[in-house]
Amino acid sequence: EADIYQTPRYLVIGTGKKITLECSQTMGHDKMYWYQQDPGMELHLIHYSYGVNSTEKGDLSSESTVSRIRTEHFPLTLESARPSHTSQYLCASSPKVGDVSYEQYFGPGTRLTVT
Amino acid sequence: AQSVTQPDIHITVSEGASLELRCNYSYGATPYLFWYVQSPGQGLQLLLKYFSGDTLVQGIKGFEAEFKRSQSSFNLRKPSVHWSDAAEYFCAVGARAGGTSYGKLTFGQGTILTVHP
Repeated sequence: EADIYQTPRYLVIGTGKKITLECSQTMGHDKMYWYQQDPGMELHLIHYSYGVNSTEKGDLSSESTVSRIRTEHFPLTLESARPSHTSQYLCASSPKVGDVSYEQYFGPGTRLTVT
Repeated sequence: AQSVTQPDIHITVSEGASLELRCNYSYGATPYLFWYVQSPGQGLQLLLKYFSGDTLVQGIKGFEAEFKRSQSSFNLRKPSVHWSDAAEYFCAVGARAGGTSYGKLTFGQGTILTVHP
């Protein structure tokens, strides 16, 4: 089972602030993902990465950006937070590209509230 | 493009009763299929997965699911529900190798399960 960590778990911040949501995994997984989830709703993929220096936009347009400088670390940044960014953000990882077994393992999530 | 439909938004069962959560998918070939469970304020935990072979798959916590190609379904079942099973359940489909969807999962809207004592 993958160990995947997200910090902070909860964040309340004012409009216009820059924020970074941290995600780290210790299993050496190549693939990592960020999802956005509103309460009671499905998950929407906003970013993914298939390895170091690889990042792609997901299916749901997002004003956030990501980076992948190290295999284990996949932070998400919002340059200027707005109330519309209020949501839960879930990070996930899965084994290497080409591995047939690509179930995703999820972190506990960060619940972001922008006031 | 792949898609997943979970027709039931909310299901309520009594403790000890049997459970079936429905999942229908749309995909051009045989997909990878998953069921996840999410407790309030938590991330998702994988319950079970189908890749190939036996169409009845066993998972953790006493859950099982059956892949029915003819019905494009992957319903989740449990013979006797426990109060601790109350949570939200997500079905997901993943594309097989090749194409722009490779490695990505598409999730259904989720089914909230309430368990009455």
